[in-house]
Amino acid sequence: DAGVTQSPTHLIKTRGQQVTLRCSPKSGHDTVSWYQQALGQGPQFIFQYYEEEERQRGNFPDRFSGHQFPNYSSELNVNALLLGDSALYLCASSPEGRSPQHFGDGTRLSIL
Amino acid sequence: GDSVTQMEGPVTLSEEAFLTINCTYTATGYPSLFWYVQYPGEGLQLLLKATKADDKGSNKGFEATYRKETTSFHLEKGSVQVSDSAVYFCALKRGETSYDKVIFGPGTSLSVIP
Repeated sequence: DAGVTQSPTHLIKTRGQQVTLRCSPKSGHDTVSWYQQALGQGPQFIFQYYEEEERQRGNFPDRFSGHQFPNYSSELNVNALLLGDSALYLCASSPEGRSPQHFGDGTRLSIL
Repeated sequence: GDSVTQMEGPVTLSEEAFLTINCTYTATGYPSLFWYVQYPGEGLQLLLKATKADDKGSNKGFEATYRKETTSFHLEKGSVQVSDSAVYFCALKRGETSYDKVIFGPGTSLSVIP
C-alpha cells in the first residue's frame, strides 16, 4: 500500500518563475493538505483540499494556489517565485473525519 | 491563536542516555497532541499521539502524557539509540476531523553519539 507520494523530489527555479508540485494521497484518503517547511523551522500550513475545493487556508499570499482532482491527487502552484519561497513543501493526506495526517517525503524547492 | 513551543536544540546525548524534550501548547478547547519525527532527507512520520487529558501516547520506546493542567506534552525515552537521531516536532490539532490544520512547533534536533 503506497503512502503519500510527491513529485518531483527536488526542483531549482529562478525568481519570477512559476512552479507546480504534485501529490498523490495515501490509498483511501480523500483530503490533502499542503505545508511549507523553511530550513530549521516547523511546517506551516498553506491550505487543504477536499472534494476538489479549497476548504481552509493558512496565512499565505494568493501567489500560492492549488487544485484537487477527482482521484484526490493534488497540485500546489506558486507564481512569481521569491527567494523566500525556498523550502521543503510537504503534502499530507487523511481520510475525512479521522486523524492523523500522513506525510510524504516532500519536494525541496530552491530559488536562485 | 493556537501555538506550540518546544525546547531549543540541538540536543546531544550519548547512547543509552535518558531523553526529555519539553513541549507546551496554547489552544482553546481540547486539542489532540502529536509528536512527529523527521529523519534527514525525509518527510514527517507520526511518532505518537494523545487525544484527551491524561492520555499517554507511546511508540518505539517513546512516550508522552497529555497534561492539561500544565498544557504540556513532553516527549521521553528511557534509553536512546544512535538511530533516534532526528528532528522531533510537537504538534496540535484542534479537532478530531481532518478538516482541522495541524500546528507544529519549531522542532528539536537530537543527535545521539555512540
